[in-house]
Amino acid sequence: DADVTQTPRNRITKTGKRIMLECSQTKGHDRMYWYRQDPGLGLRLIYYSFDVKDINKGEISDGYSVSRQAQAKFSLSLESAIPNQTALYFCATSDSIAGAVDTQYFGPGTRLTVL
Amino acid sequence: DQQVKQNSPSLSVQEGRISILNCDYTNSMFDYFLWYKKYPAEGPTFLISISSIKDKNEDGRFTVFLNKSAKHLSLHIVPSQPGDSAVYFCAASSYNQGGKLIFGQGTELSVKP
Repeated sequence: DADVTQTPRNRITKTGKRIMLECSQTKGHDRMYWYRQDPGLGLRLIYYSFDVKDINKGEISDGYSVSRQAQAKFSLSLESAIPNQTALYFCATSDSIAGAVDTQYFGPGTRLTVL
Repeated sequence: DQQVKQNSPSLSVQEGRISILNCDYTNSMFDYFLWYKKYPAEGPTFLISISSIKDKNEDGRFTVFLNKSAKHLSLHIVPSQPGDSAVYFCAASSYNQGGKLIFGQGTELSVKP
């Protein structure tokens, strides 16, 4: 079984709809992240959470919200989807190591299309 | 403003030859660098990293070189194999930023038999 899972893997929705992407991990990591990938732009950080009570905005958080329901679950919501949110979305996790930069482990991604 | 840049969107190399992927950064506070590899329909996977106190780190066929004065790092793959064909992302962070990574745009490597 995969350590980091994302559901759904593919989603097509319409402008204005609310949509939630879910991420679960079995690695026991405290830290979780949401990224989006766009052609020519690489991966950009949307939100991150260093523990259940800690939520932080990344570089492109506008139009998104997150919920950390448990250590193992981190969901990303688009309250009112718009076409320029069409992208590949990745969840990642990492362990917190004092004085070190963590290696992040990524899920398989969710391809979201907003019509 | 792109703090981490991979200026080559694609690279094609013959099997058995060396692949060199380049990455430039602008933020002098970065002190840790990573390379991730991504196959289609999969998430990125960690490949190799280097701390700013080193100028080279080697792991099998993969070597990362860091030139701090030029704010440049490169990933060398020797010898290249068809299975290395993937998108490679460079990422940078600083120890005092915890786990936050800044990624480059990616370079698609194609290794031809």
